[in-house]
Amino acid sequence: DTGVSQDPRHKITKRGQNVTFRCDPISEHNRLYWYRQTLGQGPEFLTYFQNEAQLEKSRLLSDRFSAERPKGSFSTLEIQRTEQGDSAMYLCASSTITTGFFTYEQYFGPGTRLTVT
Amino acid sequence: GNSVTQMEGPVTLSEEAFLTINCTYTATGYPSLFWYVQYPGEGLQLLLKATKADDKGSNKGFEATYRKETTSFHLEKGSVQVSDSAVYFCALDGNNRLAFGKGNQVVVIP
Repeated sequence: DTGVSQDPRHKITKRGQNVTFRCDPISEHNRLYWYRQTLGQGPEFLTYFQNEAQLEKSRLLSDRFSAERPKGSFSTLEIQRTEQGDSAMYLCASSTITTGFFTYEQYFGPGTRLTVT
Repeated sequence: GNSVTQMEGPVTLSEEAFLTINCTYTATGYPSLFWYVQYPGEGLQLLLKATKADDKGSNKGFEATYRKETTSFHLEKGSVQVSDSAVYFCALDGNNRLAFGKGNQVVVIP
């Protein structure tokens, strides 16, 4: 299967701990996105990369959140000093850039479900 | 900013019934519009898309038409199956990100 993969699928942590999630995009995709989804809501955009450059991070929820994509392939999302309000599904997506009409499709991974106790 | 509004509440219907899920949007410019589906225990999957006004996206018997005059992108299927039970999200792209609606749970009863 060559889809987007995420690891771990589930993470339970205690409040105050740091957590890191990994996303492996579809190999030929140069864009990678992170979203957060809380219960009963649609995904909410957090940040995105084009190759290794992080082009938008103003929507990261606080300075406790950070993301990297050091070699333009996989990406990590870290949450420091977790809080109960961070409990959510964290989704990764990837896409390629099309020429012309600039339309792209984002392909999503299965998500990492974070529970902060 | 860009936003998507979906009709409130879950949708429960019988097999072979007609399905409509309403979606309206607010956006600057001319975004592309999407419907994503999330089956139980699975990730989001692209169901269909439309890139400009009056385009009709279609897939697996589902259709949606990009209506610029009413800023809508309603999803329809003429005869649903139990296997269509899922959560459906309307989304638009703008500024290099997707904006999603809250989603609608669809339950199809045999």
